[in-house]
Amino acid sequence: EAQVTQNPRYLITVTGKKLTVTCSQNMNHEYMSWYRQDPGLGLRQIYYSMNVEVTDKGDVPEGYKVSRKEKRNFPLILESPSPNQTSLYFCASSLYSGNTIYFGEGSWLTVV
Amino acid sequence: GEDVEQSLFLSVREGDSSVINCTYTDSSSTYLYWYKQEPGAGLQLLTYIFSNMDMKQDQRLTVLLNKKDKHLSLRIADTQTGDSAIYFCAERGNQGGKLIFGQGTELSVKP
Repeated sequence: EAQVTQNPRYLITVTGKKLTVTCSQNMNHEYMSWYRQDPGLGLRQIYYSMNVEVTDKGDVPEGYKVSRKEKRNFPLILESPSPNQTSLYFCASSLYSGNTIYFGEGSWLTVV
Repeated sequence: GEDVEQSLFLSVREGDSSVINCTYTDSSSTYLYWYKQEPGAGLQLLTYIFSNMDMKQDQRLTVLLNKKDKHLSLRIADTQTGDSAIYFCAERGNQGGKLIFGQGTELSVKP
Protein backbone atom coordinates (compact mmCIF):
# COMPACT_ATOMS: atom_id res chain seq x y z
CA GLU A 1 0.00 0.00 0.00
CA ALA A 2 1.31 3.44 -0.98
CA GLN A 3 2.12 5.30 2.19
CA VAL A 4 3.77 8.34 3.70
CA THR A 5 4.47 7.71 7.37
CA GLN A 6 5.27 10.43 9.88
CA ASN A 7 6.38 10.09 13.48
CA PRO A 8 5.60 11.19 16.07
CA ARG A 9 1.95 12.02 15.41
CA TYR A 10 1.64 14.07 18.59
CA LEU A 11 4.37 15.74 20.61
CA ILE A 12 4.56 18.30 23.39
CA THR A 13 8.08 19.56 23.97
CA VAL A 14 9.88 22.42 25.67
CA THR A 15 11.59 25.41 24.14
CA GLY A 16 15.13 24.65 23.03
CA LYS A 17 14.97 20.86 23.18
CA LYS A 18 16.03 19.48 19.80
CA LEU A 19 13.55 17.23 18.09
CA THR A 20 13.20 15.34 14.82
CA VAL A 21 10.02 14.44 13.00
CA THR A 22 10.60 11.49 10.71
CA CYS A 23 8.99 10.94 7.32
CA SER A 24 9.22 7.83 5.20
CA GLN A 25 7.61 6.91 1.85
CA ASN A 26 7.47 3.54 0.11
CA MET A 27 6.77 4.68 -3.46
CA ASN A 28 10.29 5.49 -4.66
CA HIS A 29 9.29 9.13 -5.14
CA GLU A 30 11.94 11.67 -5.99
CA TYR A 31 10.15 14.70 -4.58
CA MET A 32 9.49 15.09 -0.86
CA SER A 33 8.53 18.13 1.14
CA TRP A 34 7.42 19.41 4.51
CA TYR A 35 4.53 21.79 5.16
CA ARG A 36 3.22 23.47 8.25
CA GLN A 37 -0.45 24.31 8.70
CA ASP A 38 -1.57 27.29 10.75
CA PRO A 39 -5.13 28.62 11.16
CA GLY A 40 -6.06 31.14 8.51
CA LEU A 41 -2.81 30.59 6.62
CA GLY A 42 -3.37 27.22 5.00
CA LEU A 43 -0.32 25.04 4.44
CA ARG A 44 3.05 26.56 3.69
CA GLN A 45 6.07 24.71 2.41
CA ILE A 46 9.05 24.58 4.78
CA TYR A 47 11.64 22.60 2.81
CA TYR A 48 11.67 20.31 -0.16
CA SER A 49 13.95 17.75 -1.75
CA MET A 50 14.10 16.79 -5.42
CA ASN A 51 16.25 13.73 -4.81
CA VAL A 52 18.90 12.24 -2.55
CA GLU A 53 21.28 14.90 -1.22
CA VAL A 54 19.30 17.65 -2.98
CA THR A 55 17.34 19.88 -0.61
CA ASP A 56 16.18 23.49 -0.77
CA LYS A 57 14.25 26.04 1.21
CA GLY A 58 10.54 26.47 0.77
CA ASP A 59 8.57 29.52 1.85
CA VAL A 60 9.04 29.33 5.64
CA PRO A 61 12.38 27.57 6.34
CA GLU A 62 13.57 29.58 9.37
CA GLY A 63 14.19 27.40 12.43
CA TYR A 64 14.15 24.12 10.51
CA LYS A 65 16.65 21.76 8.92
CA VAL A 66 16.19 18.71 6.73
CA SER A 67 18.31 15.96 5.26
CA ARG A 68 17.86 13.46 2.44
CA LYS A 69 20.44 10.72 2.81
CA GLU A 70 18.15 8.02 1.43
CA LYS A 71 15.39 8.33 -1.12
CA ARG A 72 12.66 7.06 1.19
CA ASN A 73 13.38 9.26 4.24
CA PHE A 74 13.12 13.01 4.73
CA PRO A 75 13.36 14.00 8.42
CA LEU A 76 12.49 17.47 9.67
CA ILE A 77 14.81 18.74 12.39
CA LEU A 78 14.03 21.51 14.87
CA GLU A 79 17.40 22.27 16.47
CA SER A 80 16.02 24.70 19.05
CA PRO A 81 12.22 24.71 18.95
CA SER A 82 10.34 27.85 19.92
CA PRO A 83 6.64 28.36 20.71
CA ASN A 84 6.01 29.91 17.28
CA GLN A 85 6.79 26.49 15.79
CA THR A 86 3.71 25.06 17.45
CA SER A 87 1.83 23.81 14.43
CA LEU A 88 0.50 20.86 12.47
CA TYR A 89 3.17 19.45 10.17
CA PHE A 90 2.66 17.41 7.03
CA CYS A 91 5.16 15.47 5.00
CA ALA A 92 4.38 14.88 1.31
CA SER A 93 5.89 12.93 -1.55
CA SER A 94 5.34 12.61 -5.28
CA LEU A 95 6.97 11.82 -8.55
CA TYR A 96 8.55 14.99 -9.90
CA SER A 97 5.87 15.46 -12.54
CA GLY A 98 3.13 13.09 -11.44
CA ASN A 99 -0.38 14.28 -10.74
CA THR A 100 -0.78 12.66 -7.33
CA ILE A 101 0.80 14.03 -4.19
CA TYR A 102 0.69 11.80 -1.14
CA PHE A 103 0.47 13.30 2.33
CA GLY A 104 1.29 11.81 5.68
CA GLU A 105 -1.32 11.91 8.42
CA GLY A 106 0.18 14.95 10.11
CA SER A 107 2.21 15.60 13.24
CA TRP A 108 0.76 17.87 15.90
CA LEU A 109 3.65 19.65 17.59
CA THR A 110 3.31 21.88 20.66
CA VAL A 111 6.31 23.81 21.98
CA VAL A 112 5.87 25.24 25.49
CA GLY B 1 4.87 35.42 -6.30
CA GLU B 2 2.34 32.61 -6.45
CA ASP B 3 -0.77 33.10 -4.37
CA VAL B 4 -4.03 31.24 -3.78
CA GLU B 5 -7.01 32.91 -2.11
CA GLN B 6 -10.18 31.51 -0.58
CA SER B 7 -12.88 32.94 1.62
CA LEU B 8 -12.59 31.65 5.17
CA PHE B 9 -16.15 30.61 5.98
CA LEU B 10 -19.25 29.24 4.28
CA SER B 11 -22.49 28.18 5.94
CA VAL B 12 -25.24 26.22 4.16
CA ARG B 13 -28.33 24.25 5.06
CA GLU B 14 -28.39 20.47 4.76
CA GLY B 15 -29.61 19.45 1.30
CA ASP B 16 -28.53 22.70 -0.37
CA SER B 17 -25.59 22.98 -2.76
CA SER B 18 -22.32 24.45 -1.51
CA VAL B 19 -19.98 26.36 -3.74
CA ILE B 20 -16.46 27.03 -2.52
CA ASN B 21 -14.42 29.45 -4.59
CA CYS B 22 -10.71 29.89 -5.07
CA THR B 23 -8.54 32.24 -7.10
CA TYR B 24 -4.90 31.76 -7.98
CA THR B 25 -2.20 33.78 -9.66
CA ASP B 26 0.21 31.30 -11.27
CA SER B 27 -0.64 31.02 -14.94
CA SER B 28 1.73 28.06 -15.33
CA SER B 29 -0.30 25.85 -12.97
CA THR B 30 -0.45 22.26 -14.17
CA TYR B 31 -2.93 20.75 -11.72
CA LEU B 32 -5.39 22.22 -9.25
CA TYR B 33 -6.56 20.24 -6.24
CA TRP B 34 -9.28 20.21 -3.64
CA TYR B 35 -8.51 18.73 -0.23
CA LYS B 36 -10.84 18.15 2.71
CA GLN B 37 -9.77 18.26 6.34
CA GLU B 38 -12.14 17.10 9.04
CA PRO B 39 -11.58 18.29 12.63
CA GLY B 40 -8.44 16.78 14.11
CA ALA B 41 -7.68 14.83 10.95
CA GLY B 42 -5.21 14.94 8.09
CA LEU B 43 -5.74 15.93 4.46
CA GLN B 44 -8.02 13.96 2.21
CA LEU B 45 -7.68 14.47 -1.53
CA LEU B 46 -11.18 15.05 -2.89
CA THR B 47 -10.47 15.67 -6.53
CA TYR B 48 -8.12 17.40 -8.91
CA ILE B 49 -8.34 18.92 -12.36
CA PHE B 50 -5.74 19.23 -15.05
CA SER B 51 -5.23 22.80 -16.17
CA ASN B 52 -6.43 22.17 -19.74
CA MET B 53 -9.86 21.03 -18.53
CA ASP B 54 -12.86 23.24 -17.80
CA MET B 55 -14.90 20.91 -15.67
CA LYS B 56 -14.70 17.64 -13.81
CA GLN B 57 -17.56 15.82 -12.14
CA ASP B 58 -17.29 13.07 -9.57
CA GLN B 59 -20.56 11.99 -7.93
CA ARG B 60 -21.70 14.96 -5.79
CA LEU B 61 -18.60 17.01 -6.59
CA THR B 62 -18.23 19.33 -9.57
CA VAL B 63 -15.05 21.26 -10.20
CA LEU B 64 -15.12 24.24 -12.55
CA LEU B 65 -11.95 25.88 -13.81
CA ASN B 66 -11.88 29.25 -15.53
CA LYS B 67 -8.29 29.50 -16.62
CA LYS B 68 -8.68 32.96 -18.12
CA ASP B 69 -9.85 34.40 -14.79
CA LYS B 70 -7.70 31.97 -12.74
CA HIS B 71 -10.78 30.91 -10.82
CA LEU B 72 -11.51 27.47 -9.45
CA SER B 73 -14.69 26.34 -7.73
CA LEU B 74 -15.92 23.23 -5.96
CA ARG B 75 -19.63 22.53 -5.92
CA ILE B 76 -20.99 19.96 -3.49
CA ALA B 77 -24.52 18.88 -4.36
CA ASP B 78 -26.98 17.86 -1.64
CA THR B 79 -24.63 18.93 1.15
CA GLN B 80 -24.75 16.75 4.24
CA THR B 81 -23.65 17.38 7.83
CA GLY B 82 -20.75 14.98 7.18
CA ASP B 83 -19.44 17.48 4.63
CA SER B 84 -18.67 19.94 7.43
CA ALA B 85 -14.92 20.42 7.26
CA ILE B 86 -12.20 22.77 6.04
CA TYR B 87 -11.69 22.69 2.27
CA PHE B 88 -8.37 23.68 0.76
CA CYS B 89 -7.69 24.46 -2.83
CA ALA B 90 -4.12 24.10 -4.01
CA GLU B 91 -2.31 24.70 -7.24
CA ARG B 92 0.72 22.89 -8.52
CA GLY B 93 3.05 25.21 -10.33
CA ASN B 94 6.21 24.56 -12.21
CA GLN B 95 8.40 23.57 -9.26
CA GLY B 96 8.11 19.82 -9.20
CA GLY B 97 5.75 18.62 -6.49
CA LYS B 98 5.28 21.93 -4.69
CA LEU B 99 1.69 22.89 -3.86
CA ILE B 100 0.54 26.41 -3.08
CA PHE B 101 -2.45 26.22 -0.75
CA GLY B 102 -5.24 28.64 -0.08
CA GLN B 103 -6.12 29.55 3.49
CA GLY B 104 -8.91 27.00 3.65
CA THR B 105 -12.69 27.50 3.70
CA GLU B 106 -14.51 26.24 6.74
CA LEU B 107 -17.83 24.77 5.58
CA SER B 108 -20.54 24.57 8.20
CA VAL B 109 -23.65 22.54 7.33
CA LYS B 110 -26.71 23.27 9.45
CA PRO B 111 -29.54 20.72 9.76
